[in-house]
Amino acid sequence: QSALTQPRSVSGSPGQSVTISCTGTSSDVGGYKYVSWYQQHPGKAPKLMIYDVSKRPSGVPDRFSGSKSGNTASLTISGLQAEDEADYYCCSYAGNYTLVFGGGTKLTVL
Amino acid sequence: QVQLQESGPGLVNPSGTLSLTCAVSGDSMTSNNWWTWVRQPPGKGLEWIGEMYHSGGSSYNPSLKSRVTISVDKSKNQFSLKLSSVTDADTAVYYCVRRSSGKNYFEYWGQGTLVTVSS
Repeated sequence: QSALTQPRSVSGSPGQSVTISCTGTSSDVGGYKYVSWYQQHPGKAPKLMIYDVSKRPSGVPDRFSGSKSGNTASLTISGLQAEDEADYYCCSYAGNYTLVFGGGTKLTVL
Repeated sequence: QVQLQESGPGLVNPSGTLSLTCAVSGDSMTSNNWWTWVRQPPGKGLEWIGEMYHSGGSSYNPSLKSRVTISVDKSKNQFSLKLSSVTDADTAVYYCVRRSSGKNYFEYWGQGTLVTVSS
């Protein structure tokens, strides 16, 4: 079970859109519709932002959206705001009742 | 309002056993949920450790399986993590998390507790 691959960092200016990728294999991301995304601010616990590839929990702004194509899932944040600056992690079901996280991406709002 | 709170020693000797407990409020250990542990080494990413269902079902990260035990105490409404033969690579913030059965994502997280492996 290897960690999913995410870019180490991405950046964007306020109002712009950014996309964070999460690449796995056919045994995890590509094999199931169970990708979730988490936002983590420094010193805080992760917060669920997207589940089941593209669904948003109640209270999460619709600026956050998710998608998947093949073995790669993506999180897109539109209309960037200063408070979006955080670390983002993807997570996928990996079969045999196991889950695997990505290595994390640091989002900087310029 | 579901709340989870980790507790346990913040310092563990190398080759020893790390033991943590997660107290759950606002929910019952016998509800239809999986009780999970996730860790995060300083400055690094999240790692799923494993989880347990109240009836005894469990699942562990293959890379840690030989060293991990997760248990549920229904009478105290808490669950626990034991990780044996620890090294400095096990130094991390440990989170307890609730995952609803049938849902492959994590909604409720504890605040996390830092455990350092050092002599």
